Amino acid sequence: EAGVAQSPRYKIIEKRQSVAFWCNPISGHATLYWYQQILGQGPKLLIQFQNNGVVDDSQLPKDRFSAERLKGVDSTLKIQPAKLEDSAVYLCASSLAVELAGPYEQYFGPGTRLTVT
Amino acid sequence: GENVEQHPSTLSVQEGDSAVIKCTYSDSASNYFPWYKQELGKGPQLIIDIRSNVGEKKDQRIAVTLNKTAKHFSLHITETQPEDSAVYFCAATGGSTLGRLYFGRGTQLTVWP
Repeated sequence: EAGVAQSPRYKIIEKRQSVAFWCNPISGHATLYWYQQILGQGPKLLIQFQNNGVVDDSQLPKDRFSAERLKGVDSTLKIQPAKLEDSAVYLCASSLAVELAGPYEQYFGPGTRLTVT
Repeated sequence: GENVEQHPSTLSVQEGDSAVIKCTYSDSASNYFPWYKQELGKGPQLIIDIRSNVGEKKDQRIAVTLNKTAKHFSLHITETQPEDSAVYFCAATGGSTLGRLYFGRGTQLTVWP
């Protein structure tokens, strides 16, 4: 079974530039997550999708970050304009659809390491 | 929201010894507690998880225990090997969104041969 795919793996940009990350979840996984992992910390949720609808974007800095999941499969996360503090690893994860019976295992992709100079 | 505390931040053990990592959580509504292993340059890998209706779970050399009353859970690795060296993260669900995970800050485990 193929895992979560992400691209690019590395990106270096200057502050105030824009950048986009792409994620392809595990086939059949309805729920998709974007996490931000700052060096030395655990991942922090930015946004959660169920199919193509947003479930939780309370921690997404909406003045500069945006995300979409068209057709309920692939997703893109965009930052515009980037700030120095956005330097981090951006992780995509997916799981079966969450439901009242309890959450399912989340599987992570390799991440995109963003450096903002 | 949920607050997950993880200790220790670094742990060094001799090959063959056991390693224990402990986490506490704040939200009594949390019902799912996964552990992830993250190697350098890779994404977190799920290694074991436990749900709130179970007190202990074991998978070969790895075990997790959960104490709901005290709101803490622990990862136990026995017979450690150099390839166990990595950063380990605990996590817990909580808050109003089903499935959302809150992570601890991680433990850097080093196993010396």
